[in-house]
Amino acid sequence: SAVISQKPSRDICQRGTSLTIQCQVDSQVTMMFWYRQQPGQSLTLIATANQGSEATYESGFVIDKFPISRPNLTFSTLTVSNMSPEDSSIYLCSAAGPGRNEQYFGPGTRLTVT
Amino acid sequence: AQKITQTQPGMFVQEKEAVTLDCTYDTSDQSYGLFWYKQPSSGEMIFLIYQGSYDEQNATEGRYSLNFQKARKSANLVISASQLGDSAMYFCAMREGRGGSNYKLTFGKGTLLTVNP
Repeated sequence: SAVISQKPSRDICQRGTSLTIQCQVDSQVTMMFWYRQQPGQSLTLIATANQGSEATYESGFVIDKFPISRPNLTFSTLTVSNMSPEDSSIYLCSAAGPGRNEQYFGPGTRLTVT
Repeated sequence: AQKITQTQPGMFVQEKEAVTLDCTYDTSDQSYGLFWYKQPSSGEMIFLIYQGSYDEQNATEGRYSLNFQKARKSANLVISASQLGDSAMYFCAMREGRGGSNYKLTFGKGTLLTVNP
């Protein structure tokens, strides 16, 4: 199984600032994803991080707010831009592949915006 | 319509007893996969078990088994011999489609399991 690490594990940020979250996988994976989990809610997919090209965003999420990079097969970043208190959530990185029954999550980044 | 439905917001079970967490799904794809994850209060998502739509046998992983009823579109998680450490939120998720790289998951709302001593 893939081991996924995320940095930072938690942060408290001021309204209007930006935070970049890093995700590192210990092996080459086919797909990487970013999910958001708002307080008391389920997980919602933000985007698929594509290696060397623009991420694919889900409905309701835009690149200006959540820019994503994936420079290689094992690393991705998610930036939460111009934050507001509504962005307070757990942000989870996920990696899938090479088998279709393998999909793992990082420990999450717990973000609080004040 | 919701793709994944978990009708039990909360469940209670006595330690050492078995418990079933319900999950129904909705898809028109013939090829799909069903996942169960455990999320303790720490927030991490722990992969428990996977069932493919073409798998003929129910998946099992230690104390976890998946009761897969394809015609009813249900994929219930059975936890045998519950332990206090099983207290957590449990999420059912589905991946649809075949081939290519369609790995994204759709999650249910989750079931909060509490194991009583």
